[in-house]
Amino acid sequence: GENVEQHPSTLSVQEGDSAVIKCTYSDSASNYFPWYKQELGKRPQLIIDIRSNVGEKKDQRIAVTLNKTAKHFSLHITETQPEDSAVYFCAASKGGGSNYKLTFGKGTLLTVNP
Amino acid sequence: KAGVTQTPRYLIKTRGQQVTLSCSPISGHRSVSWYQQTPGQGLQFLFEYFSETQRNKGNFPGRFSGRQFSNSRSEMNVSTLELGDSALYLCASTMGGSSRETQYFGPGTRLLVL
Repeated sequence: GENVEQHPSTLSVQEGDSAVIKCTYSDSASNYFPWYKQELGKRPQLIIDIRSNVGEKKDQRIAVTLNKTAKHFSLHITETQPEDSAVYFCAASKGGGSNYKLTFGKGTLLTVNP
Repeated sequence: KAGVTQTPRYLIKTRGQQVTLSCSPISGHRSVSWYQQTPGQGLQFLFEYFSETQRNKGNFPGRFSGRQFSNSRSEMNVSTLELGDSALYLCASTMGGSSRETQYFGPGTRLLVL
């Protein structure tokens, strides 16, 4: 089955710096890659996603890039703020049929220091 | 629209007991997925239901089961509880028409097995 590796497991940055989280996936049939943010004690919330027909997607300070050949995708957060502190999860799923299973990475704890 | 809701929010059980958790999806959503979240294993897919039918299943023992009702509400049941079943159980809903739809998570049920 699909396997998603996520690095780093913890990341500490200064406010205003950029943060990058990287994920690799094993199944070349995967074609949907969402990123979720989970604050302490709260539910995961989608922050951005990318489908395999595009290589990059941006939403204000957040961007995701996808390299299908290398089977990896990355989350980029620019101008980090203390409220960006949370655990971030990447995930992958296959399209087609009824493959509604999301396979998640183990998460990255991002700490933004004021 | 109201978000995904889960009940109860917290549960304490003892080994050997069974437990039933409930999830009400966003109105109009027909697909409900269940995930187990633990510090060691992260977010792991349990199963997914669509129109009262299980469409996808993860790699969990048969003690974990679920069902979906005609109003799309879903329940999951864990029988013969073990200490290792202590976790946050999350459900997520989508409309169910495509495997690349955004999954919206509920707040979770935190289960503690003593």
